[in-house]
Amino acid sequence: GAVVSQHPSWVICKSGTSVKIECRSLDFQATTMFWYRQFPKQSLMLMATSNEGSKATYEQGVEKDKFLINHASLTLSTLTVTSAHPEDSSFYICSANEGSYQETQYFGPGTRLLVL
Amino acid sequence: GENVEQHPSTLSVQEGDSAVIKCTYSDSASNYFPWYKQELGKGPQLIIDIRSNVGEKKDQRIAVTLNKTAKHFSLHITETQPEDSAVYFCAAAYGNNRLAFGKGNQVVVIP
Repeated sequence: GAVVSQHPSWVICKSGTSVKIECRSLDFQATTMFWYRQFPKQSLMLMATSNEGSKATYEQGVEKDKFLINHASLTLSTLTVTSAHPEDSSFYICSANEGSYQETQYFGPGTRLLVL
Repeated sequence: GENVEQHPSTLSVQEGDSAVIKCTYSDSASNYFPWYKQELGKGPQLIIDIRSNVGEKKDQRIAVTLNKTAKHFSLHITETQPEDSAVYFCAAAYGNNRLAFGKGNQVVVIP
């Protein structure tokens, strides 16, 4: 149980285009999902907290107009990187809360984004 | 916010030996501490977690200990195997169920 999927697993795009990444909880409902980015050999940096049916809460320094988050259902959250630039190239990982304590986060496999 | 420090950054052990990774946290209100294992190119995998109402938790070869007074917690892996080689992250929960992560520890198990 507690499986989280992401799609696509990797994407290459041209500078200036937008990229959408999907995060799904496959066997449970997640009222909260989280989006992280991870640079090579570094830790996970929380970008935003996504709650179903409400606006996402962004961490300090994360541009909400550049990283659009939609959490339309209890099993799906999407992250859209708008007007991507090479510096946006990174490993994007989502997680979802599961369990009665609502603290346990299960992570997806990640999406590798390369902007040329 | 919460600040999590993780030591050492790299740990090499002989197969069969034990590995210990230590983390400290700053927010005394934190009460949930998970550990994740991340293999190259993959997402983090939850391997064990502990809540502040217990001091130790064990799951087969993996154990976690928590000292709330000193604000530190540790991961113990016994009888290490080559497949234990990975990056391990500790984390501490803070406001609105967010997690603050340590910088990670590269564990290398030498056959």
